[in-house]
Amino acid sequence: EVQLVETGGGLVLPGRSLKLSCVASGFTFNNYWMSWTRQPPGKGLEWVASITNSGGSAYYPDSVKGRFTISRDNAQNTLYLQMNSLRSEDTATYYCTRAPNWEPYFDYWGQGVMVTVSS
Amino acid sequence: DVQMTQSPYNLAASPGESVSINCKASKSISKYLAWYQQKPGKANKLLIYDESTLQSGIPSRFSGSGSGTDFTLTIRSLEPEDFGLYYCQQYDEYPPTFGAGTKLELK
Repeated sequence: EVQLVETGGGLVLPGRSLKLSCVASGFTFNNYWMSWTRQPPGKGLEWVASITNSGGSAYYPDSVKGRFTISRDNAQNTLYLQMNSLRSEDTATYYCTRAPNWEPYFDYWGQGVMVTVSS
Repeated sequence: DVQMTQSPYNLAASPGESVSINCKASKSISKYLAWYQQKPGKANKLLIYDESTLQSGIPSRFSGSGSGTDFTLTIRSLEPEDFGLYYCQQYDEYPPTFGAGTKLELK
């Protein structure tokens, strides 16, 4: 059974940093592109970042480019999202997602972890 | 970025009825559209990809149609577990973008 379990969320001050982790199980992690997608409270879904199966390339929307970094440790079956210079508009539930191939749609989602950016 | 416009925003129906949710892209996205279901306390579920391909394990009462800019998710003979939020998503180009969602409620 595919499982994606996110950790690392919490309350953080504006301008500070936070690192999310996602432990994957039930599939061969290094065969799949992985992504993060977020959802602000009461709002819709927004793609945040994707990384190739090898970790050699990463993709971001303009809203987080230069502030967020996606990475992975294939030996530990773990995906990461380093978030720097956090803003109030980054407040959201962050989901770890698996892409079934190189196309960025998502066949498995984690339960999500909440990040609140507030003073 | 490709804007995805979903309609209706809210939809009320009864078990056994059929419903349709629409999604319009701001430019042609060929067949590169997915549909997801979101329910409280559960992981989001992929229903349809490539506009009309049913994800493994999804009941055949779900179907997708359309191409280019206009797409439809149809749910035939609604079951009680089908009530929730539905999102469309384009993946023809980066950044992948989602519609604002449709809330399917019990009438």
